[in-house]
Amino acid sequence: AQSVAQPEDQVNVAEGNPLTVKCTYSVSGNPYLFWYVQYPNRGLQFLLKYITGDNLVKGSYGFEAEFNKSQTSFHLKKPSALVSDSALYFCAVRGQNAGNNRKLIWGLGTSLAVNP
Amino acid sequence: NAGVTQTPKFRVLKTGQSMTLLCAQDMNHEYMYWYRQDPGMGLRLIHYSVGEGTTAKGEVPDGYNVSRLKKQNFLLGLESAAPSQTSVYFCASSPRGQGKNYEQYFGPGTRLTVT
Repeated sequence: AQSVAQPEDQVNVAEGNPLTVKCTYSVSGNPYLFWYVQYPNRGLQFLLKYITGDNLVKGSYGFEAEFNKSQTSFHLKKPSALVSDSALYFCAVRGQNAGNNRKLIWGLGTSLAVNP
Repeated sequence: NAGVTQTPKFRVLKTGQSMTLLCAQDMNHEYMYWYRQDPGMGLRLIHYSVGEGTTAKGEVPDGYNVSRLKKQNFLLGLESAAPSQTSVYFCASSPRGQGKNYEQYFGPGTRLTVT
């Protein structure tokens, strides 16, 4: 079965330090992987995606993510965290089976807190 | 562009009442989605539509109905509200195209409380 796991409910990091939000997935075949961010009391916003090509994907607001096929991971990273990065982050993978191939399968989210 | 808008932003219903949530998008997107977000449950897909006049069930469709009579609008109906439907509801839309159809644009959400 296809699934996405975000093993950390919460990540705390000091402003200026690098941050990593983890995501692992389970799919058959080649995955399409996505990161979204949700700021308080707002809808989700698309950050970046991996479909094919370079394993390091760059996205909005200085975020990047590294696709690692052998570890089935797609961790979100940023070299220097800002307080304004504090938000809820969701990893998602494209559904592949008949019936869900136009949908995203979502992780449960990781709350990122960047401390000043 | 307004993007994806949702009406209303807040609503309180009594058990058994009905209501309709309206989602509108001005990006000419083919696909539209209704999700609910609950603490600890992440996002769960209620219903979705891949084009005008078509709808399909998501993972938690019971107690909800939808309609997509116009390409830009996607309505979510609750016929007889229950406390278990207390949630934040998000509408999203996405364009057609390989990979692009998974780049979903979300509305600001509707916070619904059923007492």
